[in-house]
Amino acid sequence: EAQVTQNPRYLITVTGKKLTVTCSQNMNHEYMSWYRQDPGLGLRQIYYSMNVEATDKGDVPEGYKVSRKEKRNFPLILESPSPNQTSLYFCASSSYRGTGNEQFFGPGTRLTVL
Amino acid sequence: GQQLNQSPQSMFIQEGEDVSMNCTSSSIFNTWLWYKQDPGEGPVLLIALYKAGELTSNGRLTAQFGITRKDSFLNISASIPSDVGIYFCAGQLYNQGGKLIFGQGTELSVKP
Repeated sequence: EAQVTQNPRYLITVTGKKLTVTCSQNMNHEYMSWYRQDPGLGLRQIYYSMNVEATDKGDVPEGYKVSRKEKRNFPLILESPSPNQTSLYFCASSSYRGTGNEQFFGPGTRLTVL
Repeated sequence: GQQLNQSPQSMFIQEGEDVSMNCTSSSIFNTWLWYKQDPGEGPVLLIALYKAGELTSNGRLTAQFGITRKDSFLNISASIPSDVGIYFCAGQLYNQGGKLIFGQGTELSVKP
């Protein structure tokens, strides 16, 4: 089954404790992206990657890191999480060809930083 | 950053009614996408639009890519209870391949 998977689905942590949220897709997609969703603000892009070893900042990259060493994986790293990073996070992927970007989303990771 | 203005923010309708929502921007887009999000899940793609003026249907859903390339609308005909959810528009900017900008969402409630 074609899908985007994220782990963990739920995470409660404390301020300053480094964490990684994994994202994996099995569709051989070139493009992957991370979003955060907050009430009233919709989805805001954190980082995206057009292909392996190619990452770019989205609209809200501060406090986050990403890496794209393999085509299928795009982990999101919070080196020192803070309470304002409490949010619902989504990973997405697409077969980007320059003419369209029909992104497919994972199920989400709900993160709480105390 | 760039913004999409999506309206209305919420709608409360009776089953069987038609629904219309739209997104506007001051920027030009080369792709418009419409997504639906059910509670506890990720957004699911409903319709994709690639050309100015394009009108595309998916069952009871119809969406259009505005002629000016700065807006798009989504219509749902004869709403049913399972249409409940949050609907998002998303646009790919003309000169920024790789980035998608999302609207704030329209929360739809359908009363049986």
